Amino acid sequence: GAVVSQHPSWVICKSGTSVKIECRSLDFQATTMFWYRQFPKQSLMLMATSNEGSKATYEQGVEKDKFLINHASLTLSTLTVTSAHPEDSSFYICSASAGGRDTGELFFGEGSRLTVL
Amino acid sequence: DAKTTQPPSMDCAEGRAANLPCNHSTISGNEYVYWYRQIHSQGPQYIIHGLKNNETNEMASLIITEDRKSSTLILPHATLRDTAVYYCIVGNTDKLIFGTGTRLQVFP
Repeated sequence: GAVVSQHPSWVICKSGTSVKIECRSLDFQATTMFWYRQFPKQSLMLMATSNEGSKATYEQGVEKDKFLINHASLTLSTLTVTSAHPEDSSFYICSASAGGRDTGELFFGEGSRLTVL
Repeated sequence: DAKTTQPPSMDCAEGRAANLPCNHSTISGNEYVYWYRQIHSQGPQYIIHGLKNNETNEMASLIITEDRKSSTLILPHATLRDTAVYYCIVGNTDKLIFGTGTRLQVFP
């Protein structure tokens, strides 16, 4: 089946630094990718929708200048957490859609755990 | 906001069927019912989806009531590896909004 890969799977950084997380669709072209954030013992919260070649659409309450999303190709979307602080520590998950699919199955990455010291 | 209601937790004995309920009384006519699960510290995994008819695949069965206001996910023979949080989601696009899910604990 289709595979979505995230990198890095975990990262530790100092407060004030920026961290980039990659989301790749390995065997299909993803016209749309979605970024989620998940705090411990909570559900996934949708942050933004990323469309190839255009600006991302952010959910209400998500700071677009804080969480920079780039979807420059049909197989890669990146999420950059700028000037990270301890409260940004979370599990970040992406999903990818090929669009027009019939199966109803959306593919998720393995997640990237960010810890900000 | 999520459009579904699920019990927060359930237990199931290994080898027995796990029946996970979901209420979605405000579902629209063109919205599907999707089920995903998340094993600890992993990304969600697709299980099954349906519109009106009951569905079955190698993982599970999905029973949707005739009025489509509720559904049940059935894992026919639960194993310890089925311990996870199960999410019932309704929608008709790839933009999935997750609710709180049901934490299923399968015990020996």
